[in-house]
Amino acid sequence: DAGITQSPRYKITETGRQVTLMCHQTWSHSYMFWYRQDLGHGLRLIYYSAAADITDKGEVPDGYVVSRSKTENFPLTLESATRSQTSVYFCASGAGNTEAFFGQGTRLTVV
Amino acid sequence: EDQVTQSPEALRLQEGESSSLNCSYTVSGLRGLFWYRQDPGKGPEFLFTLYSAGEEKEKERLKATLTKKESFLHITAPKPEDSATYLCAVQQSGGSYIPTFGRGTSLIVHP
Repeated sequence: DAGITQSPRYKITETGRQVTLMCHQTWSHSYMFWYRQDLGHGLRLIYYSAAADITDKGEVPDGYVVSRSKTENFPLTLESATRSQTSVYFCASGAGNTEAFFGQGTRLTVV
Repeated sequence: EDQVTQSPEALRLQEGESSSLNCSYTVSGLRGLFWYRQDPGKGPEFLFTLYSAGEEKEKERLKATLTKKESFLHITAPKPEDSATYLCAVQQSGGSYIPTFGRGTSLIVHP
């Protein structure tokens, strides 16, 4: 299917565990983004990537790691999950100077 | 200091009661301004892109306008199915193509 897909849709993990959220897009967009959405904060940028093998920090990068070995994939890893990382995570992609398109989100709960 | 401020935070309308949502921005140079709609449990859905002051875009009951410091999303004769959170994002000229989001306006339209 064309578009942008995130997996899993829901995840419960324990404090201290490593967890990886997946993001895949079929448009060959150069830019990909990871946001988290929390009540009272809106969408905050965690990391972004301008192309394969090029990544950079956003507003709230601490505790997260990203990679982008292929244009279509942009996984987000929480190295040691904390309760403050309980959130809804959105991946997005875009061509650059145009709109970004979002996935359906991953609801992550850290217990 | 927020670069993108949306108001009001929440808006309740009766079906057919037209109104406007505001998005003000403080970036020094605007490359593009984007409006999205977000339904509960889903990712933001792209609505409009505006690039220059005076530009207008329309889609069904929605009309987006842009000035040098703010954008309005006008909703004419809304229906209950227009209930959603509306998000505004800006791309700053120069540098990377990162959309920065406001916190959104939650719209409820009562039948």
